[in-house]
Amino acid sequence: NAGVTQTPKFRILKIGQSMTLQCTQDMNHNYMYWYRQDPGMGLKLIYYSVGAGITDKGEVPNGYNVSRSTTEDFPLRLELAAPSQTSVYFCASVWTESGAGELFFGEGSRLTVL
Amino acid sequence: DAKTTQPNSMESNEEEPVHLPCNHSTISGTDYIHWYRQLPSQGPEYVIHGLTSNVNNRMASLAIAEDRKSSTLILHRATLRDAAVYYCIPMNSGYSTLTFGKGTMLLVSP
Repeated sequence: NAGVTQTPKFRILKIGQSMTLQCTQDMNHNYMYWYRQDPGMGLKLIYYSVGAGITDKGEVPNGYNVSRSTTEDFPLRLELAAPSQTSVYFCASVWTESGAGELFFGEGSRLTVL
Repeated sequence: DAKTTQPNSMESNEEEPVHLPCNHSTISGTDYIHWYRQLPSQGPEYVIHGLTSNVNNRMASLAIAEDRKSSTLILHRATLRDAAVYYCIPMNSGYSTLTFGKGTMLLVSP
């Protein structure tokens, strides 16, 4: 199994540009999450999804959008990039039948907005 | 969701045991207690989880208080590679959001 795969690993954007961070998991997990982590700080939840077709906002959703058309994919869209969105983005997934499921993370996508 | 409290940082010497505490006094009866760690410049990784009984795996041991209001992650012999931020997180099938606290930064000295 590949686990959780994120692309791209690195990206530099200019202010005002848009882009999509891709996240794919091959474990048939129902829940998926997007987090951002600023330098020296903790993880902040951006958006999450409890299944295909269902998404909801986390702690810091402004400036982002998501979709979940399939179980496997959970892309994160950045519209009108701003320097404040410079961060490392992590995608995660888990099968939550009981709460005993292990949360799997991708390797991260490092985004710089100049 | 249950809230957690962890020390901001802890220090250890290599080859010594480390006990990382977590307070989760508002945990519900069906919450599993999970521990994850984040090595520098990497994504978080699973360490261990448990419900009521103490748990052991190849990475660590998890000691859960009888009232389940606290738990302790035990690294039996710390290595330099164990230097990371450690997070404890209650997880339940009913929790759709998973928010991370600040965790404990473990520093390991040679």
